[in-house]
Amino acid sequence: DIVMTQSPLSLPVTPGEPASLSCRSSQSLLHSNGYNYLDWYIQRPGQSPQLLIYLGSHRASGVPDRFSGSGSGTDFTLTISRVEAEDVGVYYCMQALQTPPAFGPGTKVEIK
Amino acid sequence: EAELLESGGGIVEPGGPLRISCEATGFTFSSHGMIWVRQAPGKGLEWVAAVTGSGSRTYYADSVKGRFAISRDNSKNTLFLQMSSLRVEDTATYYCARQIGGNFYGMDVWGQGTTVTVSS
Repeated sequence: DIVMTQSPLSLPVTPGEPASLSCRSSQSLLHSNGYNYLDWYIQRPGQSPQLLIYLGSHRASGVPDRFSGSGSGTDFTLTISRVEAEDVGVYYCMQALQTPPAFGPGTKVEIK
Repeated sequence: EAELLESGGGIVEPGGPLRISCEATGFTFSSHGMIWVRQAPGKGLEWVAAVTGSGSRTYYADSVKGRFAISRDNSKNTLFLQMSSLRVEDTATYYCARQIGGNFYGMDVWGQGTTVTVSS
């Protein structure tokens, strides 16, 4: 099975400043079709998860353009260009290439 | 607007069965694969099971294989998770989610979750 890791596990951020979250997989997530099967989700406190990025870099409908996904193979990054207060929560990456799909442990983002 | 509404959670004794449901509205249900994801109290997300849009293929996490069965009734726009031989470690909030496309990626619509507690 593919194992996902994330770093850091906790990230204090300052509103208006950028933030970078890392995700790594134990095997390449690059499909022969050229897409990386890697999603990013945010779970705000007390809420259900929400899709931010799919296939490595595709922003989901309605997601602000301050969120961007990058990377390929086994190393991926979620970047928030300018953090806002509503961005607090736990961010999960998930591999969707193989069964069973697997989430990382999450990065908790909180305001300094 | 696409929405999902779970129901059927509750308290069940270890070894017992429970069926939870997820009603879909606002989109063509049969056109999307559907997934169950769970979250134990204070823990992260765990992918549980998936079913294709037609219902012809199902997939399970090793932790629930042989005990849980995912199914769907496209005539009623409803997704099910039949759980049997429940264990204390199955205690969690269970979310249903819609897939954007194949290969399990892009869960773009989520329900609010239903809580399952396994306890004697």
